[in-house]
Amino acid sequence: EVQLVESGGGLVQPGRSLRLSCVASGFNFDDYAMHWVRQTPGMGLEWVSGITWNSDSIGYAGSVKGRFTISRDNAKNSLFLQMNTLRPEDTALYYCAAAGVSDFDYWGQGTLVTVSA
Amino acid sequence: QSALTQPRSVSGSPGQSVTISCTGTSSDVGGYKYVSWFQQHPGKAPKVMIYDVSKRPSGVPDRFSGSKSGNTASLTISGLQAEDEADYYCCSFAPTYTYVFGTGTKVTVL
Repeated sequence: EVQLVESGGGLVQPGRSLRLSCVASGFNFDDYAMHWVRQTPGMGLEWVSGITWNSDSIGYAGSVKGRFTISRDNAKNSLFLQMNTLRPEDTALYYCAAAGVSDFDYWGQGTLVTVSA
Repeated sequence: QSALTQPRSVSGSPGQSVTISCTGTSSDVGGYKYVSWFQQHPGKAPKVMIYDVSKRPSGVPDRFSGSKSGNTASLTISGLQAEDEADYYCCSFAPTYTYVFGTGTKVTVL
């Protein structure tokens, strides 16, 4: 069974940092591109960042470029998102998603990040 | 990158067909064959229903179909059923390995 489990969310003050993790199981993690997608409570989806299987290609949404860094450790079946200089508008549920046949085949249940003083 | 434009809501009676549009630009929807559609029920993670404009993943009913013309992609749900009531989002690949989601559409089954 495919599982993606996110962790690392929480309440953080504006300007501070947070590191999200996503552990994958049930599929060959190192064959799959991975993404972070966020959703503000009651609002829509926003793609945040993506990384190819070998970290050759990395992309960021304009709203996070220069502040967030995506990375992966294929030996540990893990995906990360280092989030620096957090802003209130970064408050959201952060999903990790795996690209297989489609760009977003599998999704986790999300980890909630709240940026507030 | 601006969000792709979708209608806020569409509705239909059971058995009817509804179509959701997703309008972007030549830099995203119009420029690539990589448009996906997602279904999201309240409190649940999104689920891919259509990928690469018109392909259906295994297990997705053939009532769901996708197409594209120019800068606008469309999702059609034929034979609408109660369980189809959900939020739907489109998503397109865009330059330099980025993606952009649509604004989302609430489908209501009357």
